[in-house]
Amino acid sequence: AQKVTQAQTEISVVEKEDVTLDCVYETRDTTYYLFWYKQPPSGELVFLIRRNSFDEQNEISGRYSWNFQKSTSSFNFTITASQVVDSAVYFCALRKAGNQFYFGTGTSLTVIP
Amino acid sequence: ETGVTQSPTHLIKTRGQQVTLRCSSQSGHNTVSWYQQALGQGPQFIFQYYREEENGRGNFPPRFSGLQFPNYSSELNVNALELDDSALYLCASSLSTRELGNEQFFGPGTRLTVL
Repeated sequence: AQKVTQAQTEISVVEKEDVTLDCVYETRDTTYYLFWYKQPPSGELVFLIRRNSFDEQNEISGRYSWNFQKSTSSFNFTITASQVVDSAVYFCALRKAGNQFYFGTGTSLTVIP
Repeated sequence: ETGVTQSPTHLIKTRGQQVTLRCSSQSGHNTVSWYQQALGQGPQFIFQYYREEENGRGNFPPRFSGLQFPNYSSELNVNALELDDSALYLCASSLSTRELGNEQFFGPGTRLTVL
């Protein structure tokens, strides 16, 4: 079975705080990709990052960082020094052979000024 | 470079009617995927088209059908509309279906309301 779980439905933080969004996935495939997307109120999904199943190297890009751990099937996303513009719904997604994307239910992040 | 566009932006239909949604892929992209996103949920994969042929389908009934044209634009058709079909329909384009990691570029979506 393939499944993506985002246990955090809503998170509120005060501006400049750090926040981590959790993602746990399930798949029996050995080759797959994981993604994070941001969906602002306008509705358009914006690509943030992808990781393949063979690359567990964590990455930092500006205020964003990602922690991929195959041992726990987790692909968490951290925003440091959050800003009001970060307010959006964030989706974790899994893609495997067969051209299917599986999205989590999303985490709604509100950054309070 | 033109991004992914979708039309119409909003649509209201009644139960039992048929609807056609349209998507123009990003320039140079040959793969289009369609997703249904119900309110408060993540996008659900409907199907994907690669070079005018269906290339993967999610758990949606046959009344959801599609087309891809030679210019790689695409249509999503839904027959016999049901109330639960009310959702945001997202189209995404990518360069090729062979690479799992290819980035998908999403359009702004069509908000369908079924009364």
